[in-house]
Amino acid sequence: RKEVEQDPGPFNVPEGATVAFNCTYSNSASQSFFWYRQDCRKEPKLLMSVYSSGNEDGRFTAQLNRASQYISLLIRDSKLSDSATYLCVVIDYGQNFVFGPGTRLSVLP
Amino acid sequence: EAQVTQNPRYLITVTGKKLTVTCSQNMNHEYMSWYRQDPGLGLRQIYYSMNVEVTDKGDVPEGYKVSRKEKRNFPLILESPSPNQTSLYFCASSKYNEQFFGPGTRLTVL
Repeated sequence: RKEVEQDPGPFNVPEGATVAFNCTYSNSASQSFFWYRQDCRKEPKLLMSVYSSGNEDGRFTAQLNRASQYISLLIRDSKLSDSATYLCVVIDYGQNFVFGPGTRLSVLP
Repeated sequence: EAQVTQNPRYLITVTGKKLTVTCSQNMNHEYMSWYRQDPGLGLRQIYYSMNVEVTDKGDVPEGYKVSRKEKRNFPLILESPSPNQTSLYFCASSKYNEQFFGPGTRLTVL
């Protein structure tokens, strides 16, 4: 079983739609959680951290459920510029970053 | 400007010809790592380094070597490249919880 799993996608949604991505992780000792964004042929960049209480950054909302070992990302009012691959990232013991395979999003005009 | 640089950005080589991909960061980060990214497999960690002279294997270290003689540099060495090492490689550094990635090196081994 992979350490971090994500919906494979691709998700094709119209502009203005709300879309949600899910991620599960297998190591219950995982300490920190993030969503990264990766544009085509570019390097990944941090989108937002994920906190136990849930957190919001503009149109983006991240949730963490430690009991279920589940992380989610909600994007409201999708823009064309949101088209990218979204990577779920978990930090294991120490500073070992574990990346999920990513979910590709295409926002269509 | 705070950044991670990698060179070369693109490389086509032949099986068995030793190569080095350089990585340098100017943020004084202690933690650096190398990843490879392949379609359907996502980013997989090759090696990481918690500090100077401290390196550890990641998930896919076979066929790779690294060194960390100084804080800013973390080169990736392929002693005898093989076609299954054709991939997109990223170097990254971090101080706390955010990783900063280099622009990537696209390697093709014929």
